[in-house]
Amino acid sequence: GQNIDQPTEMTATEGAIVQINCTYQTSGFNGLFWYQQHAGEAPTFLSYNVLDGLEEKGRFSSFLSRSKGYSYLLLKELQMKDSASYLCAAMDSNYQLIWGAGTKLIIKP
Amino acid sequence: GAVVSQHPSWVICKSGTSVKIECRSLDFQATTMFWYRQFPKQSLMLMATSNEGSKATYEQGVEKDKFLINHASLTLSTLTVTSAHPEDSSFYICSARDFSDYNEQFFGPGTRLTVL
Repeated sequence: GQNIDQPTEMTATEGAIVQINCTYQTSGFNGLFWYQQHAGEAPTFLSYNVLDGLEEKGRFSSFLSRSKGYSYLLLKELQMKDSASYLCAAMDSNYQLIWGAGTKLIIKP
Repeated sequence: GAVVSQHPSWVICKSGTSVKIECRSLDFQATTMFWYRQFPKQSLMLMATSNEGSKATYEQGVEKDKFLINHASLTLSTLTVTSAHPEDSSFYICSARDFSDYNEQFFGPGTRLTVL
């Protein structure tokens, strides 16, 4: 079956770095997405990886290892506004997104 | 990036009534639109995939007669919750995929439905 695993909740300190891990199993693979979702709002796109390696975009970076079925989202210089849920989603061979349950990130001062 | 709008952004209705939610792609043609439902503190749950001009494909456990989806044009899809009940209260989100780029979905802002 198809499955996405990510931690339910993480806590970090303002100004620090946090890494949110995601493992996936899908029928075929067409890329790994990370979305940010604030409470009561729709998800917003953060990153897309389809090749192995690290993609850096400002304070956010995303890493993919296809052979391991593994990705992580790295957030640097954490700000209070980064408190949100972070959703990992893998695209299968039918171009359908398979969603993880999301990781709630709590930032403390 | 591409913009997807949803209307209304929130709605309160009485039990037994029907509610229609519109999803529009504003600056691109969306051959495929997706409807999701999200309960509090839970992840997105795909309800159905809608392709322009054809019948929607519903996920297992989603009643197609209760959640009517129409994708009549390349920029508009509608979800009608028929005979709504309090357990249908949820956050409904649509997303749209540009036919020229299969690898990205653009999300609408969501519709908060409360059924009394």
